[in-house]
Amino acid sequence: GDSVTQMEGPVTLSEEAFLTINCTYTATGYPSLFWYVQYPGEGLQLLLKATKADDKGSNKGFEATYRKETTSFHLEKGSVQVSDSAVYFCALKGGFNKFYFGSGTKLNVKP
Amino acid sequence: NAGVTQTPKFRILKIGQSMTLQCAQDMNHNYMYWYRQDPGMGLKLIYYSVGAGITDKGEVPNGYNVSRSTTEDFPLRLELAAPSQTSVYFCASSYSIGGAGELFFGEGSRLTVL
Repeated sequence: GDSVTQMEGPVTLSEEAFLTINCTYTATGYPSLFWYVQYPGEGLQLLLKATKADDKGSNKGFEATYRKETTSFHLEKGSVQVSDSAVYFCALKGGFNKFYFGSGTKLNVKP
Repeated sequence: NAGVTQTPKFRILKIGQSMTLQCAQDMNHNYMYWYRQDPGMGLKLIYYSVGAGITDKGEVPNGYNVSRSTTEDFPLRLELAAPSQTSVYFCASSYSIGGAGELFFGEGSRLTVL
């Protein structure tokens, strides 16, 4: 069945460091891929998305490229800020509009 | 812009009690979902609905029931609450336009069963 695997956290970085959070997926067909962010005490918010192979989603300095050959959708940011501290979830939309989430990666950014 | 609204935000139940978590969306989305999020874990799908009158089980449906009498509302019923149902519950909705429709989440309902 469809599933998402993402790197375990927590990830601790200093401000202005480069961020990569790995995400790989298993799916039948051609799913859409998403990154969601959850700030403490809040619900999940869409960060970025990609709907087909080689698409690059981007938002707020974050980027992720849909790589069909490696079934990956890694999240990157060139220079993180303290305000980026949150939990990041990779997700895919499979058949019947069902969404599958990874276990989440907590990011801590220190000043 | 209300989006997806969940009530209550917090609730404490005793073992064996029942309750309903309310969820409403004002975006005219046809798909609605209930997820639970346990500490340090991802989201697990409890139930989902593709439209009024149509619901189906997700990954972890045991101990829960849903109904979808209108497009807007998708309540989640917990019968005979157990400590294993202590979790944060998220309602979400989505539209379907090819692959582009993403999930919109409510703020969550934190449930503790003692």
